[in-house]
Amino acid sequence: GAGVSQSPRYKVAKRGQDVALRCDPISGHVSLFWYQQALGQGPEFLTYFQNEAQLDKSGLPSDRFFAERPEGSVSTLKIQRTQQEDSAVYLCASSSGEWVQANEQFFGPGTRLTVL
Amino acid sequence: DAKTTQPTSMDCAEGRAANLPCNHSTISGNEYVYWYRQIHSQGPQYIIHGLKNNETNEMASLIITEDRKSSTLILPHATLRDTAVYYCIVRVGGNEKLTFGTGTRLTIIP
Repeated sequence: GAGVSQSPRYKVAKRGQDVALRCDPISGHVSLFWYQQALGQGPEFLTYFQNEAQLDKSGLPSDRFFAERPEGSVSTLKIQRTQQEDSAVYLCASSSGEWVQANEQFFGPGTRLTVL
Repeated sequence: DAKTTQPTSMDCAEGRAANLPCNHSTISGNEYVYWYRQIHSQGPQYIIHGLKNNETNEMASLIITEDRKSSTLILPHATLRDTAVYYCIVRVGGNEKLTFGTGTRLTIIP
């Protein structure tokens, strides 16, 4: 595809509901990142995949957050029992995975999650 | 990764050069300076990066001081489409995560 796509673009959930956010990275990109961006703040790292392996999940705020990338392409971020503090924009980024200095990360438009 | 300090906001007249400063006084010798920007309701976009030499591409120029403790991103002829939040990030590179701060909100004035 032309770029990173995310779906849905907007999601409204009632407190306690489970949600699943999808990311389609650029074809062939090995690395995939998830970030969380609260209103008025910069994005904050959640987790990182290289192919299907989740190499870093240090940024996941609680065990209610779970991410997977089973076939090394599409990734899903799942949030269980959503809370109001989970309201944010969730950004996905992919990169080629080459260990080079630039290794630009390409971001999707994000999914805006609102928990009522 | 080293912490960066940027002004909260800046204005620039359309057609003029926009100069965005960044302090990174604790940068390590193997850390690069990266700039990303985020236009409203979009994901961040890579602009440029550098180690110690000045860099230029089709979007911007990056000037890094000799001691590497600060840098300036220059948009040579700002347009209204350059209105965005600009993030200065230092990292080793490769597949590392990006650590964003709060960035500089740049507003281009017609």
